[in-house]
Amino acid sequence: EVVLTQSPGTLSLSPGERATLSCRASQSVNSNYLAWYQQKRGQAPRLLIYGASRGATGVPDRFSGSGSGTDFTLTISRVEPEDFAVYYCQLYGYSPSITFGQGTRLETK
Amino acid sequence: QVQLQESGPGLVKPSETLSLTCTVSGGSIGRYFWSWIRKPPGKGLEWIGYIYYTGSTSYNPSLKSRVTMAVDKPRNSFSLTVTSVTSADTAVYYCARGEGFNDFWSGLDYWGPGALVTVSS
Repeated sequence: EVVLTQSPGTLSLSPGERATLSCRASQSVNSNYLAWYQQKRGQAPRLLIYGASRGATGVPDRFSGSGSGTDFTLTISRVEPEDFAVYYCQLYGYSPSITFGQGTRLETK
Repeated sequence: QVQLQESGPGLVKPSETLSLTCTVSGGSIGRYFWSWIRKPPGKGLEWIGYIYYTGSTSYNPSLKSRVTMAVDKPRNSFSLTVTSVTSADTAVYYCARGEGFNDFWSGLDYWGPGALVTVSS
């Protein structure tokens, strides 16, 4: 079983600051199968990044993904007020077939 | 524009069966994986399982003994049943679309708005 561990649990930043969110896999995984989502309160998750670094349609370019092997990162270059939300990483194609990290909450400082 | 919509009872009694349907509009159910994901109150996202348009399935091992999924191609919809529910099954249930094959995963690119299911007597 592959486990995704996200850190930090909560990230407190001010608008305009840079956000760096981490996702670590319990074993080396294919980066093509790693995605990131944003979930705001009361809404469905929204796909941000797939294939570890490819931006989904309509996602602002301040969101970027990187990483390989066991360590993956979601970066928001300059946090906007609408970016405060919970972020999840997700893996496909291992056991179980789809796995989510536990989430990182990005909150206003 | 592809849209997904969950439907089903919002209240289920303990030990009974939870049933939800996801109807897909603006696109065909063919070619994709169709997933169910849930979010219990105060917790993170939990993948329940997915069904391919051909009818083949993959379930989360933690729920596999209680979960069944089916696809209804003429109605462009798919369904979820969870048997013997307890309060731990109280959650917002989402349906979502994904596409995966050799060395490619699209991510879950379209989601329904979610349906709150409460397990209570």
